[in-house]
Amino acid sequence: QVQLQESGPGLVKPSETLSLICTVSGDSITSHYWSWIRQPPGKGLEWIGHIYYSGSTNYNPSLKSRVTVSVDTSKNQISLKVRSVTAADTAVYFCARELYSGSSPFDYWGQGTVVTVSS
Amino acid sequence: SYELTQPPSVSVSPGQTASITCSGDELGNKFVCWYQQKAGQSPVLVIHKDTKRPSGIPERFSGSNSGNTATLTISGTQALDEADYYCQAWDSSIVVFGGGTKLTVL
Repeated sequence: QVQLQESGPGLVKPSETLSLICTVSGDSITSHYWSWIRQPPGKGLEWIGHIYYSGSTNYNPSLKSRVTVSVDTSKNQISLKVRSVTAADTAVYFCARELYSGSSPFDYWGQGTVVTVSS
Repeated sequence: SYELTQPPSVSVSPGQTASITCSGDELGNKFVCWYQQKAGQSPVLVIHKDTKRPSGIPERFSGSNSGNTATLTISGTQALDEADYYCQAWDSSIVVFGGGTKLTVL
């Protein structure tokens, strides 16, 4: 059974860097694209970006200048870094698997991790 | 940038049919999928490639997509279907989500 688990600090100070890891079990990280998606409190879903095991990435243009997604195939993990965070980056952060390549839906999601940006 | 527009809320009586729309420029030329998200939970895929139901999703969930509008239809709506629903599509290798629709079953 495929499982995704996000981990990382729940509290980040303004202007610092948010760093999260998504650990995948039950599937190889080399088999699919993997995305990061976030949801501010009481709001909708926002796609952040995705990565393939080769290192190929795409990002949401609205976040591209501050975001890096990377992959560690040896640990079956992907990671997310968001630089220069503000209160607007406070959200539940999800990692998710893309079912197939090309116009794919997300068929497996992690439980999400809450990140609060506050001093 | 590409946008998907959903009504903020839809209400339906138990046993009736609920329809949730998602609008976007020439959306019929893209594949649309739909997610159900209950309070405090992760989203669950209920429809992909406009009309396909993943394994385990009840037959009362169906989808369509034509012109500028995609529609998620829930037939014989049950109380447990009360949730937020999001449409999603891809535009030039970028994922776009609709703003979400809160379905109330009353």
